[in-house]
Amino acid sequence: KAGVTQTPRYLIKTRGQQVTLSCSPISGHRSVSWYQQTPGQGLQFLFEYFSETQRNKGNFPGRFSGRQFSNSRSEMNVSTLELGDSALYLCASSSLGLASGGLSYEQYFGPGTRLTVT
Amino acid sequence: GIQVEQSPPDLILQEGANSTLRCNFSDSVNNLQWFHQNPWGQLINLFYIPSGTKQNGRLSATTVATERYSLLYISSSQTTDSGVYFCAVQPSGGSYIPTFGRGTSLIVHP
Repeated sequence: KAGVTQTPRYLIKTRGQQVTLSCSPISGHRSVSWYQQTPGQGLQFLFEYFSETQRNKGNFPGRFSGRQFSNSRSEMNVSTLELGDSALYLCASSSLGLASGGLSYEQYFGPGTRLTVT
Repeated sequence: GIQVEQSPPDLILQEGANSTLRCNFSDSVNNLQWFHQNPWGQLINLFYIPSGTKQNGRLSATTVATERYSLLYISSSQTTDSGVYFCAVQPSGGSYIPTFGRGTSLIVHP
């Protein structure tokens, strides 16, 4: 089975621009979660999409948004980029959604997109 | 929200040495995973272990959910074990949002 793929792998943008990142989950997985990793804040949950619906959202401003398509591929968009948005953005897929509660929820991560905002 | 603490934050070993990494969490959890982040940023699944003990080659992990901790054992370490080890927990109540610890940075010297 192919793993989680993310594109692009590296990106350089200027403050004020917007950016769209893409994630293709493992075949058959319906849940895609996005994370931001920075040296200062560590790994932080952005949001989760399950069956094309955003089910959970972390504590990030509205400039961070996403969507999921019927084939479970997901995109994340950041508008009006700030220097502090420079980070490694990781997506993870799972066969179950976060709200499955006590059931097995195991995440598999993609290689990440490293975004630099100048 | 739930707090996840990993120790030690940094670890330097000689090849062949053994080590134990710890993950403490402040509330009950449904799920717990251990990951290894390689130098290119890829998070690699090591264990899915909400409770009990598992082994995979030189690595093993134990989670004692009732006492709110998990341990990752690395035996006969190799230079390829270098990287950052994270534990991530999913709280059993509320939003179920996974929370990561700050990681243990491991350097294995030849």
